[in-house]
Amino acid sequence: EIVMTQTPLSLSVTPGQPASISCKSSQSLLQSGRKTYLYWYLQKPGQPPQLLIYEVSNRFSGVPDRFSGSGSGTDFTLKISRVEAEDVGVYYCMQSIELPFTFGPGTKVDIK
Amino acid sequence: QVQLVQSGAEVKKPGASVKVSCTASGYTFTTYAIHWVRQAPGQRLEWMGWINTVNGNTKYSQKFQGRVTISRDTSASTAYMELSSLTSEDTAVYYCARYSSVPLDDWGQGTLVTVSS
Repeated sequence: EIVMTQTPLSLSVTPGQPASISCKSSQSLLQSGRKTYLYWYLQKPGQPPQLLIYEVSNRFSGVPDRFSGSGSGTDFTLKISRVEAEDVGVYYCMQSIELPFTFGPGTKVDIK
Repeated sequence: QVQLVQSGAEVKKPGASVKVSCTASGYTFTTYAIHWVRQAPGQRLEWMGWINTVNGNTKYSQKFQGRVTISRDTSASTAYMELSSLTSEDTAVYYCARYSSVPLDDWGQGTLVTVSS
């Protein structure tokens, strides 16, 4: 199965400052020159995960534009341009190019 | 709006089985697949399997093959996940999630399953 890794595993950010999370996959998530099956989720405390970014760089409905995704192949990045208090939680990357879908270990983001 | 409502928390003894339900509303149930994901304490999210809500076809993670059964009742707009031969390592929050045009875009609230003697 595809192994997903993330760095850092935790991040403490001052409100208004940027944050960046890296995700790497053990094999390419690009399918035959078409879509890249990499997704980002945020799990706020006590809640189920919520989809933030799909196919590397597309913000899901209702996601603020301070969130952006980039990358290709096996290396991906989620950036928050200006962190707000409501952004605290654990961020997960996930691949769906093949079964089983697999998730990264999560990056816990809190506010300084 | 789209809602996936799961059944309540369960406490089971080792060796028992548990069946969790996931009832969908706000859309036509058979339009999209339902996936199941679990989260053990302190662990990452773990994909378990999915069901085609139209024809009932299923695919499971090899880790759970033989122990998990995902089913659905289209008349009730409900999907089910049954896990058997429970051990303490199955203590986790179990989620259902919809796969629409993108994976896992809506999630149930989660069901805590505790396995304890």
